[in-house]
Amino acid sequence: SAVISQKPSRDICQRGTSLTIQCQVDSQVTMMFWYRQQPGQSLTLIATANQGSEATYESGFVIDKFPISRPNLTFSTLTVSNMSPEDSSIYLCSVAGTGRNEQYFGPGTRLTVT
Amino acid sequence: ELKVEQNPLFLSMQEGKNYTIYCNYSTTSDRLYWYRQDPGKSLESLFVLLSNGAVKQEGRLMASLDTKARLSTLHITAAVHDLSATYFCAVPRIQGAQKLVFGQGTRLTINP
Repeated sequence: SAVISQKPSRDICQRGTSLTIQCQVDSQVTMMFWYRQQPGQSLTLIATANQGSEATYESGFVIDKFPISRPNLTFSTLTVSNMSPEDSSIYLCSVAGTGRNEQYFGPGTRLTVT
Repeated sequence: ELKVEQNPLFLSMQEGKNYTIYCNYSTTSDRLYWYRQDPGKSLESLFVLLSNGAVKQEGRLMASLDTKARLSTLHITAAVHDLSATYFCAVPRIQGAQKLVFGQGTRLTINP
């Protein structure tokens, strides 16, 4: 199984600012995913972080709002830009296991925007 | 567009009872995931079901998959308080891919 860490684990940010969330995996993985979980809701895929190319965004999410970096096969960052209270969520990093059938999630970053 | 629906969304039950959570999905899929989430925590992988008729069991939890009916069930036997959590099912958006579409989640509360 993959061990995933995220930083920060939580943060409280002011409206209009930006926060960068880091995701580190203990092994090389081809694809990393970023999900959002709004309070009391299910998970929604934001984007796929591709190493060596631009991230692929899902409908409703744009690069200007959620820029993503993937400098190598074990690390990715997600930035939440120009934050508003509606961005208050848990942001989770996810990777697929070595066999494509396993999918693991990081501990999440709990973001509160005031 | 793939839709994944769970029911019930909320379930309160007594210890010792049995119950089933249902997960329906709208398009063909080659696998289905079940996850557990405790309050304020991330997702813990419970089961990956890979084929029609697959059944997996871990302790008091048993999951099954019927790909023809596009239905998975998570059965809880003789519930105990420690199983209180939110349970999610998830299906790949495209067969063979790794992007997941999640159900709404079932918040399970088990009362002593």
